[in-house]
Amino acid sequence: HVQLQESGPGLVKPSETLSLSCTVSSGSVTDYYWTWIRQPAGKGLEWIGRAYSSGDTNYNPSLKSRVTMSVDTSENQFSLRLTSVTAADTAVYYCARTLGVSGASHYSYYMDVWGKGTTVIVSS
Amino acid sequence: SYELTQPPSVSVSPGQTARITCSGDALPKKYAYWYQQKSGQAPVLVIYEDIKRPSGIPERFSGSNSGTVATLTISGAQVEDEADFYCYSTDNSGNLWVFGGGTKLTVL
Repeated sequence: HVQLQESGPGLVKPSETLSLSCTVSSGSVTDYYWTWIRQPAGKGLEWIGRAYSSGDTNYNPSLKSRVTMSVDTSENQFSLRLTSVTAADTAVYYCARTLGVSGASHYSYYMDVWGKGTTVIVSS
Repeated sequence: SYELTQPPSVSVSPGQTARITCSGDALPKKYAYWYQQKSGQAPVLVIYEDIKRPSGIPERFSGSNSGTVATLTISGAQVEDEADFYCYSTDNSGNLWVFGGGTKLTVL
């Protein structure tokens, strides 16, 4: 079954760029959407955004000006870049496989497989 | 912006029925999803498309969506069900996806 593994620096300086990758094992990045979610310590989940292998993306408006997501089919991984980070960006970051389904009146996306998460601390 | 509202906590005794609600203005037209997150672990999908249960999720977990309220019901809650539960859905545009604030379920 598919497995996801987040990777990247655990410590990022304020104002710099946070870059994370999610490697997909036992499955392909094509034919699925891929989502990043984060969770500050002791707090709830926040949807960051979603990407597809075609380049289609959808970001949380609260982060949109700082976020870039992409899918690399040659490496079978997808990535997150978050610019101009502050302490408020300190969190556990999760990647997740995302299914797109057509409902009676709308299209819906949900995450069915998650990585274990990686902790990112923003500090000088 | 769009918000999904959940009660911060729900507490039941083992064997009782736990109900966790999620309120949102767009829920009459959008699916609700539910995730269970145990301490120190990644979330796990327990209900999708309002009422469907993924394989491997116990039958005691069920979902409903009526009007502006989606409900996760755990019939005969077990101690091992203790966790934080999050609802997840989208606004009327379908472009902004959000999680509810989370509900801590205590079974003791």
